[in-house]
Amino acid sequence: TQLLEQSPQFLSIQEGENLTVYCNSSSVFSSLQWYRQEPGEGPVLLVTVVTGGEVKKLKRLTFQFGDARKDSSLHITAAQPGDTGLYLCAGFYNAGNMLTFGGGTRLMVKP
Amino acid sequence: EAGVAQSPRYKIIEKRQSVAFWCNPISGHATLYWYQQILGQGPKLLIQFQNNGVVDDSQLPKDRFSAERLKGVDSTLKIQPAKLEDSAVYLCASSLRDGYEQYFGPGTRLTVT
Repeated sequence: TQLLEQSPQFLSIQEGENLTVYCNSSSVFSSLQWYRQEPGEGPVLLVTVVTGGEVKKLKRLTFQFGDARKDSSLHITAAQPGDTGLYLCAGFYNAGNMLTFGGGTRLMVKP
Repeated sequence: EAGVAQSPRYKIIEKRQSVAFWCNPISGHATLYWYQQILGQGPKLLIQFQNNGVVDDSQLPKDRFSAERLKGVDSTLKIQPAKLEDSAVYLCASSLRDGYEQYFGPGTRLTVT
C-alpha cells in the first residue's frame, strides 16, 4: 500500500482539453512536491507546496495543497502534446527527511 | 552546470549475477540519493548519503544491495546476487543539502533475466 495514492493512473486526452490529477493520503505531509518524468529521464521538480490551502500557478499548470495537508491536485489548462509524461507527487511525511513518491499519473496528450 | 551523471544507461544480466551502477552528483551537492523505480510505480528511496555518511538506508535490501560514497562525491550501488524482481530503473539524485531540491540523473535501466 502506497502512502500517496495518485489518480487516475492513466489519462489520454486531446490537445486543448483541461484535466485534473489527484494525489491523496491518509497522512499529513509537511510539504508536497509535483514532478514530471519523461521516458528515459529522471523526474524534474515542477513545484513545492508547503502551506495548507496553498495554490501555485506555473503557466498553464495550477497546483493546490489541501487544507489538511493530506491531498493535492494538479490542473492543466488547454493541454498540449508537450505536457505528455508521468506526473508524480511526492511528500515529506511527518517532518521527516525521506521523500515518499506516489505511483504517478501517466498523461498522453494527442495532437 | 552539469547535471547528475549515471552509467551505464542500460544493463542486462542473468539472475544470480552481480551488477554495479555509478553516479556522479552535481558539483558541491552534499546529499546523494539512490532510488529504485519499478515499472508503473513511483521511485522508492533505497539509501541517502550526507557527504560520505549514510543518513537513511532503511529500505535497502542489505542482504544483496550495497552502496558507498567513499570520498563524499561519486557513489556506486551494487547488487549481488541479482533477482528477477530487481528489474527496475535505478535513479541517482543529489541536492545541495538535506531537504533542498533534488536533481535526478537519467537512471540506469536494469533487466534481470
